[in-house]
Amino acid sequence: AQTVTQSQPEMSVQEAETVTLSCTYDTSESDYYLFWYKQPPSRQMILVIRQEAYKQQNATENRFSVNFQKAAKSFSLKISDSQLGDAAMYFCAYRSSDSGGGADGLTFGKGTHLIIQP
Amino acid sequence: DAGVTQSPTHLIKTRGQQVTLRCSPKSGHDTVSWYQQALGQGPQFIFQYYEEEERQRGNFPDRFSGHQFPNYSSELNVNALLLGDSALYLCASFRGISNYGYTFGSGTRLTVV
Repeated sequence: AQTVTQSQPEMSVQEAETVTLSCTYDTSESDYYLFWYKQPPSRQMILVIRQEAYKQQNATENRFSVNFQKAAKSFSLKISDSQLGDAAMYFCAYRSSDSGGGADGLTFGKGTHLIIQP
Repeated sequence: DAGVTQSPTHLIKTRGQQVTLRCSPKSGHDTVSWYQQALGQGPQFIFQYYEEEERQRGNFPDRFSGHQFPNYSSELNVNALLLGDSALYLCASFRGISNYGYTFGSGTRLTVV
């Protein structure tokens, strides 16, 4: 079974600064997907960024980027130019590769509470 | 384009009762998953439905059951409710051939008293 570990229960950063959230995972599979989701107080999980394990290039989405280290099974999220609206719970998630129509469920970490200091 | 819709948003039930939660997937999505999120924890995968069949199941007892309808909407049923079933229940939809991850609803907050 796969496991996802987020070792930082809470992180705080000044507005406009850069912050990195950590995530490690354990799997015996070679092909899989990794995600970072944001959950604001509205409760809806919002996809921030995704990474396919077979791609060596790190994914980026505007101010959000990841550092994917497959051998180390590490998947950290970097948020640049932090904004007040970035304050939320952030969850790292793992999913086995799509078998074509019957994709597996997501395995989540326990989350990191990100606080943005004005 | 409507996203994932869940109903009700909040629910209070008594121990031993049964509850049904409902989910309408995002337009164009054919796969629905259900997750249980206890307070302060990450979501835990309950099960996933595709083509009206349960395709995968997490580590949940058979008190948790579900259904998917021909229009892809889904229900989660929980029988013999326990205090420990109090949680946020999230529904997520997905298009089977897509690789862009799930779209989540805002959840149903279930309180068992």
